[in-house]
Amino acid sequence: DAGVTQSPTHLIKTRGQQVTLRCSPKSGHDTVSWYQQALGQGPQFIFQYYEEEERQRGNFPDRFSGHQFPNYSSELNVNALLLGDSALYLCASSSYRGYTEAFFGQGTRLTVV
Amino acid sequence: AQSVTQLGSHVSVSEGALVLLRCNYSSSVPPYLFWYVQYPNQGLQLLLKYTTGATLVKGINGFEAEFKKSETSFHLTKPSAHMSDAAEYFCAVSDKDDYKLSFGAGTTVTVRA
Repeated sequence: DAGVTQSPTHLIKTRGQQVTLRCSPKSGHDTVSWYQQALGQGPQFIFQYYEEEERQRGNFPDRFSGHQFPNYSSELNVNALLLGDSALYLCASSSYRGYTEAFFGQGTRLTVV
Repeated sequence: AQSVTQLGSHVSVSEGALVLLRCNYSSSVPPYLFWYVQYPNQGLQLLLKYTTGATLVKGINGFEAEFKKSETSFHLTKPSAHMSDAAEYFCAVSDKDDYKLSFGAGTTVTVRA
C-alpha cells in the first residue's frame, strides 16, 4: 500500500503565478482534505472533497480551489500567488463511511518569491 | 466551533525521562481526538486516536493518552524518552460526523542525551 502520495515535493513560484498540487489517496479511501501548514504553525484546513464535490471549506479565499477526479485523486489550485502562500501543503485521505482517522501525505513545500 | 490548545510550545526532556505533552480542547459535542507526530520536512504520522470506548488509548512508539471529558483534556505521555522522539507533536480534534481536523499550534520536543 503506497499510502497517500503528493506531487511535487517542492516547488518555487513567483508572486502572481498559479500553481497546481496533486494528491493520490490511500487505497480504499474516497475523501480527500487539504491543509496549509505555515512555518512553525499547526495545519489549517482548506477544504475537503468527496464524490467529486467540495463538501467543507475552511477560511481561505477563492484563490484556493480544488478538484476531485473519479479515481478519488485530487488537485489543489492556487491563483495569484502571494508571498504568504508559502507553506507546506498537506493532503489527507479518509473513508467517508466509517470515518475514524485521516492519513497524511508527505506534503508539498511551496515557496513563493 | 472546535479549538485545541497545546500548553507549551517547546518541551525539553532527558533521555529516559517522562514525556508529557498537554492538550485541551473545546467542543460542543463528544469529539474524536488525535495526536500526530511530524519529523522535519515530513508529513504527519498518527500516534494514537480516541474515538469511543476506553479512555486510555495506546499508540505507536510507546505513547499513550487519556481522554478526560470532565477536564476536556487529552494529554500525551511516554514513560521513557528516546532520542528518536525528538519531533513536533500536534493534538487535533474533529466531530464524529465531521472529517475536518482542527489542530493545536504544536509542541516541539527535544531530547537531551
